[in-house]
Order: sequence, then structure tokens, then C-alpha cells
Amino acid sequence: LAKTTQPISMDSYEGQEVNITCSHNNIATNDYITWYQQFPSQGPRFIIQGYKTKVTNEVASLFIPADRKSSTLSLPRVSLSDTAVYYCLVDSNSGYALNFGKGTSLLVTP
Amino acid sequence: DTGVSQDPRHKITKRGQNVTFRCDPISEHNRLYWYRQTLGQGPEFLTYFQNEAQLEKSRLLSDRFSAERPKGSFSTLEIQRTEQGDSAMYLCASSLERTNLANYGYTFGSGTRLTVV
Repeated sequence: LAKTTQPISMDSYEGQEVNITCSHNNIATNDYITWYQQFPSQGPRFIIQGYKTKVTNEVASLFIPADRKSSTLSLPRVSLSDTAVYYCLVDSNSGYALNFGKGTSLLVTP
Repeated sequence: DTGVSQDPRHKITKRGQNVTFRCDPISEHNRLYWYRQTLGQGPEFLTYFQNEAQLEKSRLLSDRFSAERPKGSFSTLEIQRTEQGDSAMYLCASSLERTNLANYGYTFGSGTRLTVV
């Protein structure tokens, strides 16, 4: 199972772009990379998923280099409501995610 | 469809009592997962179902924990003889079946927060 490493916490001001990088050195061929956002007292919410290169949706972009040993979640122009914990998850399509790690706690201030 | 529903949202119980939580997944999702989350940690896998079949249960924390999904729709998670260490958020998630061609993310419910006193 691929282990992920991401910063414990990050701070940002409103309106800035935030990039959160996750390392997953032993990612397997069948593994996808998925990012989730979690607010207090709520379940995690799916943000974006990718396998390689770049993926963009209405809320974020995900950059994955060719070796796939890391990935970067990019949040453009964050607002106060983006304050949350962000989890990087690497799991295959055959079963389940064992655990989500501790995530990155993002604090956005005015 | 209103997403994944969990009931109750909060449960306070005395040590030694049994508790049961319910999860209603998104109707077209055939996979259902249970996770536990303690303060400062990410969700930790407990068990999952594909339709009514429980495909993995070795991660249930002890034999006091059991889960069912009798008709492949809603699921229940039961904890018998609760202990203070069982206090946590219990999360349910659902997804479409994942195949070699597609990996679907999880849709989580808001969780049931259990406090054992």
C-alpha cells in the first residue's frame, strides 16, 4: 500500500493560490491519486482525482509528474471558506483505502 | 438523491451498552464503506460491502464490532459492550464499483459522533 506524506499544516491569505504537495514514492501502477477536503464535524468531500499529468475542475487543479511519485493540489485564490483539512489518498481501483493519513490543515486568513 | 445519510448524528452512551448506527448510501452506489475517525487523525478503514456481501472485515477493531447490509441498500454498524476508547466519529461512505477502467471516489456521510461515558 502506498504511503503518503504531506505537510501537517499550511497558512495562506485570502486571494492567494495554495499548492499542497503530497509524496507517494511507492505508488503502484493501478493506483489513482485523489484529494479530499474535510470541514469539522463533516465527512471528507471529494475534490479531484487523477492518474497522471494534469487534471482541472471547477474548484482545483491536480498536477502529477511523469514518475507519479508526488502530486500537487492547487487551489486558486483561496477564500476563508477553504480553511479545512486536505487529504491526499493513493489507492487502487480494486478495493478500499486503508487510511487517509493525517492530512494538511489549511488555515486561510484575511 | 440527497447523498449519504447517517443516523444518528450524535450518540452518547454509557460504557458497556450496545449501540447501532445506520447508513443510507447513494442509491445507485453498490459499494459501502465504514470508517472511524478520531481527533486529529484521518479516517481509518473498518469494513466494506459490495451489494450485500461483506468483502473485507479483518480491519474491524475487535469482535465487538459488526456490520451488516442485509439487502444491499442501507447498512448498520453495531458496537457491543462499548468502551471509552470507542469514542470517535464513525463515517460511512459509498461509491460505484471500481474497475480496472475507472476509479470512483468516495461520497461520505456526515458521520455519527459516539461518546462513551
